[in-house]
Amino acid sequence: LAKTTQPISMDSYEGQEVNITCSHNNIATNDYITWYQQFPSQGPRFIIQGYKTKVTNEVASLFIPADRKSSTLSLPRVSLSDTAVYYCLVVLNTGGFKTIFGAGTRLFVKA
Amino acid sequence: SAVISQKPSRDICQRGTSLTIQCQVDSQVTMMFWYRQQPGQSLTLIATANQGSEATYESGFVIDKFPISRPNLTFSTLTVSNMSPEDSSIYLCSVGYETEAFFGQGTRLTVV
Repeated sequence: LAKTTQPISMDSYEGQEVNITCSHNNIATNDYITWYQQFPSQGPRFIIQGYKTKVTNEVASLFIPADRKSSTLSLPRVSLSDTAVYYCLVVLNTGGFKTIFGAGTRLFVKA
Repeated sequence: SAVISQKPSRDICQRGTSLTIQCQVDSQVTMMFWYRQQPGQSLTLIATANQGSEATYESGFVIDKFPISRPNLTFSTLTVSNMSPEDSSIYLCSVGYETEAFFGQGTRLTVV
């Protein structure tokens, strides 16, 4: 399983766009890049997943360059409720997989 | 998707005792996973629970300390045995579908 590296913490203000970059130099051909969000006292929640280029959903965008050795989670116009820990993972598309978590990025959104 | 229910949501236990945590999934799954999250830390995988076979433990976790049952495809239990204050953590169960993992709300355990 590929190891991921991401910043330990980030601060932002309400209404700003936040970009969290994750490096995964040893990503394998069949790995997908997945981001989870965790609020205090809750289990992690799936945000977005991608294989290459750009993926967008109602919550975030995920940018993946051609070499796939890094990825950037983009949160548009954050609010106070986006304060959470964000985990970048690479997972193998095998079904019923086990997820190995890195340290995560603690995002703090200020008013 | 999957909805996971964990019981209890929290407990305070005396050292030396054991606590069994239950995890119920609303659909059948082959593998279930148990994680520990110590205060302020990321999640650490304890073991993978397969129905009909013994659980597979990660390095640093042993069956005597964290026995796991998996009687059917929708249910699993994790027991934290002979507890010490160092076992105070949040314990979460998880299942995976394709490339997405679903987590329960966790069980917050405090050992005094």
